[in-house]
Amino acid sequence: GDSVTQMEGPVTLSEEAFLTINCTYTATGYPSLFWYVQYPGEGLQLLLKATKADDKGSNKGFEATYRKETTSFHLEKGSVQVSDSAVYFCALKSGDSSYKLIFGSGTRLLVRP
Amino acid sequence: SAVISQKPSRDICQRGTSLTIQCQVDSQVTMMFWYRQQPGQSLTLIATANQGSEATYESGFVIDKFPISRPNLTFSTLTVSNMSPEDSSIYLCSGRDRDNYGYTFGSGTRLTVV
Repeated sequence: GDSVTQMEGPVTLSEEAFLTINCTYTATGYPSLFWYVQYPGEGLQLLLKATKADDKGSNKGFEATYRKETTSFHLEKGSVQVSDSAVYFCALKSGDSSYKLIFGSGTRLLVRP
Repeated sequence: SAVISQKPSRDICQRGTSLTIQCQVDSQVTMMFWYRQQPGQSLTLIATANQGSEATYESGFVIDKFPISRPNLTFSTLTVSNMSPEDSSIYLCSGRDRDNYGYTFGSGTRLTVV
């Protein structure tokens, strides 16, 4: 079945450092890909998405490119802030008619001043 | 995009009792889903809430334990029945927005069973 694999956390960075969180997927058909962020004590917020190969999603300085050849959707940010500390989830929507979202395990990011 | 109001935001319940969680969407969504997030874990899909008919449950989840209703396009409830401490989790509802096909989440219900 479809699945998402994320890098293990926690990831600890200093403010203004470069961030990469790896995400790879296994899916049949043509999935849509998402990154969600969960701040402490809150629900999930959509960070960015991409619906087809080579699409780049971007928001709040975060970017991710849908790479079909490597089945990846890595999240990047050039300069992180303390306020970016949160848990980041990679997810996919299968290309079938179920419309279910399948989530990766989540990666906790801690940014130190 | 749609905004989902979920309540209660948290509750502490006695084992053997039941809790009903409500989600209200401010605009129409095509599909609604219920997830469970155990402490420090990812989200696991419990079921897809179908309007006016029985929900579609994922493997490992059954209707007797997690009855779900969706009487119209903008409202759904999840009941956690005969609770045990193992049911202590965050429960989240989600809707697939009919306009932009994004997925919006409620703020979650943090349930503790004692």
